[in-house]
Amino acid sequence: KAGVTQTPRYLIKTRGQQVTLSCSPISGHRSVSWYQQTPGQGLQFLFEYFSETQRNKGNFPGRFSGRQFSNSRSEMNVSTLELGDSALYLCASSPIPGAGGEQYFGPGTRLTVT
Amino acid sequence: DQQVKQNSPSLSVQEGRISILNCDYTNSMFDYFLWYKKYPAEGPTFLISISSIKDKNEDGRFTVFLNKSAKHLSLHIVPSQPGDSAVYFCAASDSNYQLIWGAGTKLIIKP
Repeated sequence: KAGVTQTPRYLIKTRGQQVTLSCSPISGHRSVSWYQQTPGQGLQFLFEYFSETQRNKGNFPGRFSGRQFSNSRSEMNVSTLELGDSALYLCASSPIPGAGGEQYFGPGTRLTVT
Repeated sequence: DQQVKQNSPSLSVQEGRISILNCDYTNSMFDYFLWYKKYPAEGPTFLISISSIKDKNEDGRFTVFLNKSAKHLSLHIVPSQPGDSAVYFCAASDSNYQLIWGAGTKLIIKP
């Protein structure tokens, strides 16, 4: 079974631009969560989608948004990029929300904002 | 405020010895705790978990201990192997199944 895939793996953008990141969950998994990882901060929860509906949202500004498609693939969008948005963005999937907390992560997208 | 804290950014252990990674939490409503391991350029992978109704869970070389009164959990790795060198994250699950993560501890196993 293929794992969670994220595209692109690396991205360099300029302040003020917008960016869209993509995540394909493990086949059969319907829950997709997004996290931002910065050095020393661990993983900060962005949002979770299940069956095309946002189920949970973390404490991030409205510039961060996401969506999920009927095939469970998910995208996240960051508008008006700031230098502080430079981070590793991780996507995780699970069969259902909760699932004992076990999530399967993709390799991440490394976003650099200059 | 950090609800899940890993106070040691890094830990160095001799190969073959025991590695003990610690995690503290503040929210007594957390009911499930997990440890993940992360290698560079990869996403975290699930390692072991424990429910709040237990105080110990063991899986091979990995054991997680939970002390609810102290709001503390620890991960023991015995014996430590070079492949265990990675960043270890502690996470706690709230009633909404949202995972709250610690900042991670980098474990270095010395040969």
